Order: sequence, then C-alpha cells, then structure tokens
Amino acid sequence: KNQVEQSPQSLIILEGKNCTLQCNYTVSPFSNLRWYKQDTGRGPVSLTIMTFSENTKSNGRYTATLDADTKQSSLHITASQLSDSASYICVADTGGFKTIFGAGTRLFVKA
Amino acid sequence: SQTIHQWPATLVQPVGSPLSLECTVEGTSNPNLYWYRQAAGRGLQLLFYSVGIGQISSEVPQNLSASRPQDRQFILSSKKLLLSDSGFYLCAWSTGEDGYTFGSGTRLTVV
Repeated sequence: KNQVEQSPQSLIILEGKNCTLQCNYTVSPFSNLRWYKQDTGRGPVSLTIMTFSENTKSNGRYTATLDADTKQSSLHITASQLSDSASYICVADTGGFKTIFGAGTRLFVKA
Repeated sequence: SQTIHQWPATLVQPVGSPLSLECTVEGTSNPNLYWYRQAAGRGLQLLFYSVGIGQISSEVPQNLSASRPQDRQFILSSKKLLLSDSGFYLCAWSTGEDGYTFGSGTRLTVV
C-alpha cells in the first residue's frame, strides 16, 4: 500500500531554534519527493522537490534531504521564525497522476 | 505569471442542498487540473483530475462530480450534499515535474 507517514504530528519550538521534520514513504514506483508548507486555511505552497537521485535541496532556511534507500526524507528549518508556524506536508510522486500526501506536521513557533 | 483562483473561501450549506465550487487558472494553457479534499489530521485525498476539456477522472466513488467546460475552468459539484462532504477543498494545477500550484481552498461545512 502506498503511504507517506510524517513525524512528529505536531511540534512546538522557540523562535530562533532549529528543527527537523521526518517523513517515511512506502511508494512504488517512486519518482519525486516534495515538501509543502500550508498556512492555516490556505492551500499548500511548494518548498522543495527532489528526484530519487537527489540527496538534498535547499530553499532559504529550509533544507530537505532524501535517502531513497531507506525511503526517508527530512525537512530541516534553521533559525525558525514566527512565520514558520504552519503545517509541513511531505508528498511522494509515484508517476502519472498518483501522488501520495502525508498528513503533515503542525509546527508552532513561539516567541 | 500563472495564478489560480478558487471560490468561495467558506461555505455553509444544509444537507441535501446542491454544491458548486469553481476554480480557474490564468497564465497557462492546457493545464492538468485537480480537486483535492483535506480532512483534519489527514493527507490530501485526490477526488478528480482532468487533462483536458471534458476529460474527468474520478479517484474515489462519492457524492461529488466534476466538470471542465473550458480549458482553464474546473468545477466541483454535488446534487445533494451529505454531512460527510464537509471538509477543506483544494483546487490545483500542474504541468508535471514542477509539482502542484494550489488554490486558496474552500472550507465547506454541511449542516
């Protein structure tokens, strides 16, 4: 069964701290791994996309990693800001129109 | 630049009433269009996708239908809403490798 599991379900950190969100996927065939940021009540916005041959991709303070052998990905946020408070969704493409979304990690950044 | 418009932002409808959610895209031709539903604590669930005018594929059997009367217009409908149709509905478009661009979403509450 194709699925994407994310952990933790929610996370609270202090402003300025770093954090890492985890994603495990069981998807076959596998083509791309994406991370999206979703503000409350809004549509998701793309942060990074990695093909199966890429190991890391950065977008400002966001750095995603991918280990296609262990089928794990992580999203590292550096020097968190209040505006980073959102849900972060891990997404695995299987090719064609089959895309599997994780349930997301809800991040709260506190002052 | 490509933009996607989705409306309304929120909607409260009684059980048994009809539904029509509209999505339009600008700045692109022949996009792949999608309707997703997001339940609390769950990943996005693909409802319908369309590769062209009049071409609709349904991913899950349900009380909803979709239509694509024009190249850049995608409509989600129901003849009679159920309580279980409540959720956050997202329209999206893609060109394939670049991932999805999501609309701002519609919060539907069926009462």
